Amino acid sequence: DGGITQSPKYLFRKEGQNVTLSCEQNLNHDAMYWYRQDPGQGLRLIYYSQIVNDFQKGDIAEGYSVSREKKESFPLTVTSAQKNPTAFYLCASSTGLYHNEQFFGPGTRLTVL
Amino acid sequence: SQQGEEDPQALSIQEGENATMNCSYKTSINNLQWYRQNSGRGLVHLILIRSNEREKHSGRLRVTLDTSKKSSSLLITASRAADTASYFCATDAEETSGSRLTFGEGTQLTVNP
Repeated sequence: DGGITQSPKYLFRKEGQNVTLSCEQNLNHDAMYWYRQDPGQGLRLIYYSQIVNDFQKGDIAEGYSVSREKKESFPLTVTSAQKNPTAFYLCASSTGLYHNEQFFGPGTRLTVL
Repeated sequence: SQQGEEDPQALSIQEGENATMNCSYKTSINNLQWYRQNSGRGLVHLILIRSNEREKHSGRLRVTLDTSKKSSSLLITASRAADTASYFCATDAEETSGSRLTFGEGTQLTVNP
């Protein structure tokens, strides 16, 4: 099955801890994205990567970090510097060519205790 | 910043009725896309309309685009209870590179059986 997976589905973290969210795709897509969604809100772009070993900040990158060492993987680390990390995090991928749709994973719900 | 703004924020209709959602945006675009999100899930791409297109159909979906008014509408005909979800428009702005999208706040559609 081709698709995009995220793990874990639910994640709990204590304040002051860093946590890494996993995103893997086997669609052979070049571009990958991380979004944050707060209750009743739209998606806000955190980071995106158009090719391996390269990534760019989105609109709300502060307190987050990413890496893109493999085409299939784009992990997101939520650091202790992120002041309000409780949210629903969505990963997506696309072919990276212009004008193409994005394919989304099922999301990870992060709760800071 | 949010490029797209959906209207209405919430819509409740009876099964069999048509549902119309609107999206307004601010800058010139390459294309506009509509996505659907069931509660607590990832987004699913519905339809993409390019800036040089005025109308597009896909099954029970009809999308229009008016670039002079910077607006789009999504019409779902003969709605079903299974259409209950949040619907988001997303714009691929001309000045951005790759397939970076900016999402609106969404319309919550409830179809009552």
